[in-house]
Order: sequence, then structure tokens, then C-alpha cells
Amino acid sequence: GEDVEQSLFLSVREGDSSVINCTYTDSSSTYLYWYKQEPGAGLQLLTYIFSNMDMKQDQRLTVLLNKKDKHLSLRIADTQTGDSAIYFCAEKAGGYQKVTFGTGTKLQVIP
Amino acid sequence: DGGITQSPKYLFRKEGQNVTLSCEQNLNHDAMYWYRQDPGQGLRLIYYSQIVNDFQKGDIAEGYSVSREKKESFPLTVTSAQKNPTAFYLCASSPPRQGSEQYFGPGTRLTVT
Repeated sequence: GEDVEQSLFLSVREGDSSVINCTYTDSSSTYLYWYKQEPGAGLQLLTYIFSNMDMKQDQRLTVLLNKKDKHLSLRIADTQTGDSAIYFCAEKAGGYQKVTFGTGTKLQVIP
Repeated sequence: DGGITQSPKYLFRKEGQNVTLSCEQNLNHDAMYWYRQDPGQGLRLIYYSQIVNDFQKGDIAEGYSVSREKKESFPLTVTSAQKNPTAFYLCASSPPRQGSEQYFGPGTRLTVT
């Protein structure tokens, strides 16, 4: 079945860039997403990328996709304390509604 | 305001009791989902429904049941058969177009003692 892997924890200093990595196994993945979860809350979509794209930039967020290696990353520039949260990578194959989520990476921003 | 509501935010039950978690959406979305979240395990899919009166088992459906009698409502019952029910439960919905993201409710934390 599909599998999405992430490291569990990342710590960065305020103002530095954060890079959160994700690998997935489903070669038919068509849509890849990054969600953010603040403590005790639901998930919020941050950004997404289609599998025919290599990169997508949205203000402080940059998503890079290496389809050959099935590797997705999320870069947050000028990381702020408000960025402290759990970040989930997720993938969906085209035509199916089921989404597979990664384990989540807890980002800690040190002031 | 359009969105997904889950109630209650915190729920406490004794072992052996069934409990139903509410999920309502006014986004007019066809698809709805229930996930369970445990620390370090991410989100695991319990059940999903793509249309009214139809639903499918997810990866960890044992010990859970759902119904989808109305488009806006997708309640989840945690039965006494669920071996380890204490968890954070998240409901989500999505529109039918391809690639559409899921919209999440605020979650219900269930504690069974």
C-alpha cells in the first residue's frame, strides 16, 4: 500500500530557514500536499503541488518535488515562532478521494 | 461562515460504553472522512464516504461504525469493541473535484478509562 514517511522532529532558530522532508512510495501520486496542525486543532492546508511540477513558491513557502526519487520538501523562509506546529505531508492518486498522510514533523522554533 | 464542526471538543467515557462523535459540514462537500491521530503515528483513516448513504472502511475500521444519512453529517460511533479508543479524532470533508484538498474540523479528544 501507499506509505508516506517524515522525520518526527525539527528544531530551528527564529529567522533561519526550515526544511521539512517527506518521501512517498506511490508512483501514481498525482497531488501532494502540505498541511499544518497547531496544538489541539485540526489540519490546515498550507500548499499543494501537482506531480507534473518541480517547484512551487508561495510567499515564505517553497515546495520542491523530485518525482524520480519520490521526495517532497517544504522550505519555510525566515521561520517565526508562530510557525511552530506539526507539518504533515500527504499524497493522493488522481481520481481517488483517499489521501495518505505522513507521520508529521514537529517543528520547534527557538527564539 | 462555512466550515466543519465537531462536538464536543473533549469527551470522557467509561470502558465498555459506545460513544458517538459528531461531525457536521455546511460546505456542501460530497466526501467526508474520519481519522484517528495518535502521537508519532500521523493520521490513520477510519472510514470515508463519497456520497450520501454510502461509506467505505479505511485502514483501521475495526471497532468503529459510521452512517451518512445526510450530506452534511457523518457521525462516528466508537464501540466497546475498539481495543484502544483513547485518541484525537479528526473529521474532514472535500469537494468532488480532482485534487481538491481536505478541510478539517477542530477535532474531538476522546478519553476512555
